Amino acid sequence: GAVVSQHPSRVICKSGTSVKIECRSLDFQATTMFWYRQFPKQSLMLMATSNEGSKATYEQGVEKDKFLINHASLTLSTLTVTSAHPEDSSFYICSASQYIMNTEAFFGQGTRLTVV
Amino acid sequence: GENVEQHPSTLSVQEGDSAVIKCTYSDSASNYFPWYKQELGKGPQLIIDIRSNVGEKKDQRIAVTLNKTAKHFSLHITETQPEDSAVYFCAAITGRRALTFGSGTRLQVQP
Repeated sequence: GAVVSQHPSRVICKSGTSVKIECRSLDFQATTMFWYRQFPKQSLMLMATSNEGSKATYEQGVEKDKFLINHASLTLSTLTVTSAHPEDSSFYICSASQYIMNTEAFFGQGTRLTVV
Repeated sequence: GENVEQHPSTLSVQEGDSAVIKCTYSDSASNYFPWYKQELGKGPQLIIDIRSNVGEKKDQRIAVTLNKTAKHFSLHITETQPEDSAVYFCAAITGRRALTFGSGTRLQVQP
């Protein structure tokens, strides 16, 4: 299957600072990338969908000013958690799809964010 | 929107036994149903998928069945091994939307 690389795998930051998470599709061009958040022992919750070159579409209840998403190229999307607080601590996972409709979505390794 | 329910939430089997995980979906327009395996601290890994024009698909010890009429699909793992222990998620997708995930099943294979 295709490879999606997410970096960093773990990050600890202080309250009030911003953290950037990168998601790269290594061997295919991703027209669409998705960002998920996962709480312990729970399922993945979709945060936003991003298409290359356009603004991300955020799910209801997700603050777009808090979670900035940029999909500048067909192989890179970034999620920036701004002014992080302890409640933002979570496991963030990206996925990428090569085509727009009904194709396999490949996931990154995830990023464990801890805000202290 | 789509709603996917997954059962059971936990499943414990003896090594060599079979494991079955079931999911139901609500949107009859959904037409792609992947299954993911997630190990602790890692992202989900696609293990098998099925499209709505197929009723069954098999890949070695793993198989997925789909009943469009009843709107449910199942994952079957035969000859389970300890390394199969993980959390398994089913998902469904409709059109251009993102995947909707089930709540997950924690599979424990006892050696």
